[in-house]
Amino acid sequence: EAQVTQNPRYLITVTGKKLTVTCSQNMNHEYMSWYRQDPGLGLRQIYYSMNVEVTDKGDVPEGYKVSRKEKRNFPLILESPSPNQTSLYFCASSLFDGNQPQHFGDGTRLSIL
Amino acid sequence: GQQLNQSPQSMFIQEGEDVSMNCTSSSIFNTWLWYKQDPGEGPVLLIALYKAGELTSNGRLTAQFGITRKDSFLNISASIPSDVGIYFCAGNAGGTSYGKLTFGQGTILTVHP
Repeated sequence: EAQVTQNPRYLITVTGKKLTVTCSQNMNHEYMSWYRQDPGLGLRQIYYSMNVEVTDKGDVPEGYKVSRKEKRNFPLILESPSPNQTSLYFCASSLFDGNQPQHFGDGTRLSIL
Repeated sequence: GQQLNQSPQSMFIQEGEDVSMNCTSSSIFNTWLWYKQDPGEGPVLLIALYKAGELTSNGRLTAQFGITRKDSFLNISASIPSDVGIYFCAGNAGGTSYGKLTFGQGTILTVHP
């Protein structure tokens, strides 16, 4: 089954403790992206990757890092999480770029205390 | 960054009624996408629009890419209870921004049986 898999689905942690949210897709997609969803703000793009070893900032990249060492994986790293990063996070992928329909994971709800 | 204004923010309708929502942008987009999000899940693509003036249907859903390339609308005819969810518009400007996807704030749809 074609899918985007995120882990963990839920995480409660404390300020400053580094965390990684993994994202994996099995569709051989070139493009992957991370979003955060906050009430009243819709989804905002954090980072995206057009291909292996190619990453670019979205609209809200501060406080986040990503890497794309393999085509299928695109982890989101919070080196020193802060409470304002409490949010619902989605990973997505598409065949080539942001111009095309994206397949979304089921989301990761992060709470930073 | 680019902004999308989506309206209305929420709608409460009776089953069988038609629904209309729209998005406007401060800048031109090359692609408009409409997504639906069910509770606890990631957004799922409903309709993709790639040409100014394009009118596309998907069952009871119809969406149009505005002639000015700065707006789009989504209509749902004869609503049913399973139409409940959050509807998002999203746009891609293409060119050097072909990796970026900007989302509207979402329209929360409630359908009363």
